[in-house]
This record gives sequence, C-alpha cells and structure tokens, in this order.
Amino acid sequence: ETGVTQTPRHLVMGMTNKKSLKCEQHLGHNAMYWYKQSAKKPLELMFVYNFKEQTENNSVPSRFSPECPNSSHLFLHLHTLQPEDSALYLCASSHPLMGRGGPEAFFGQGTRLTVV
Amino acid sequence: ELKVEQNPLFLSMQEGKNYTIYCNYSTTSDRLYWYRQDPGKSLESLFVLLSNGAVKQEGRLMASLDTKARLSTLHITAAVHDLSATYFCAGVTQGGSEKLVFGKGTKLTVNP
Repeated sequence: ETGVTQTPRHLVMGMTNKKSLKCEQHLGHNAMYWYKQSAKKPLELMFVYNFKEQTENNSVPSRFSPECPNSSHLFLHLHTLQPEDSALYLCASSHPLMGRGGPEAFFGQGTRLTVV
Repeated sequence: ELKVEQNPLFLSMQEGKNYTIYCNYSTTSDRLYWYRQDPGKSLESLFVLLSNGAVKQEGRLMASLDTKARLSTLHITAAVHDLSATYFCAGVTQGGSEKLVFGKGTKLTVNP
C-alpha cells in the first residue's frame, strides 16, 4: 500500500460512454498527477495539479477531462474514448517540489481501462 | 526536453548471476529515481539519488548516479526469482513545475 487509492481497478467502456476514474490520497501531498501506461509507450504524464490548480496538460485530447476538487482527490472524466485509449491509468501524488518536502512520487494501483 | 533511455529493455538472467541496468538521460536532472513494477501492480519507489556520486543499496540492488555522464545504474547481485519485475528509472525536469520523466522500463526475468 502506497497511500494512494484508485478506483475502479478495472473498467470496460464503450466509445459512447462517459465514465470517471477516481484517485484519493491522505499523505498530505499537494501535487497530484495522472499518467498513462500503454504497452507500446513509456509512462506518459498527462496532467499535473499543484494545490488544486492544473499546472500541466501534456497535450492531452479533450476527451480526457481532469478535476481536482481538493488536494486529496483527483478525477479523470472520460467521454467518447477511442480503442487506442485503452491503457493503465496511474495516479500519483507528491509534495509539489519533489526533493524538498519529500523526494518521491507515490503511485496508486492504477485503473486498467479497456475501450471497446 | 528531458529524455530518459534505459537499456536493456528486456533482461533474462539466471539466479545467482550479476547484471546491470543502465539509465541515460539527455539534459540536467538533479535527481534520479528507480521504481519497480510487478505485473498488474503499481510502481514502488526503490531509490532516490540526489547528488553526483550517490550510491544506495537495498538487499541485492544497488543504484548509483553520475550526473556528469548523465548516467544511473541499477546493479543486481546474485539475482533471485523474487527480483523478476519491470524496473523504471525517472529523471526530473528542471524549471517550472517539476515532473518525472520515465524511461521505457527494463523487464527483468530471473530464471531458476
């Protein structure tokens, strides 16, 4: 257990569906991240939130919509996804400036998403 | 733009043998991380290397950092089956909002 919890662990959705991924941490971290891990590419950073504000959007398509209502919770809203969006989506949290308040990022278990 | 390259990407080794995984990065990164991922599981932090010449050891794994060469190594000593996993290194971008940039990972299989 890393202290970062993601739900659901597995999700199968059709291309016309709308679903949301949830991430929760109670580690006192103020930075939260969404990463995508697919078979053919390295871990890709999608979004970064610092103190609830989005500070990074790594050219992610608008069919992925993040939400960070507070420093402990992070959501990824999904709509009209494509089959190539099937991947493992990982949430992570850290202190905002890694290496100062705490040097590493802690990852959740991930959500295995399949788009059919 | 920081790029991180690992090699090899796949490594199959016998129990009891030694081997090294290499991690090269393209621009300055004042910290280097090693993570382990078991199939279907999250990434587990192994080492954080904070300065040039840093060496850290945990059990059969030893990580080192050479910031001048922009190289980190993960050395495996007398491998055992339980070390089978995928190992990732990650650097940190400089300036602005810091973020981790990962290598593609090295899938290690230790055979009995």
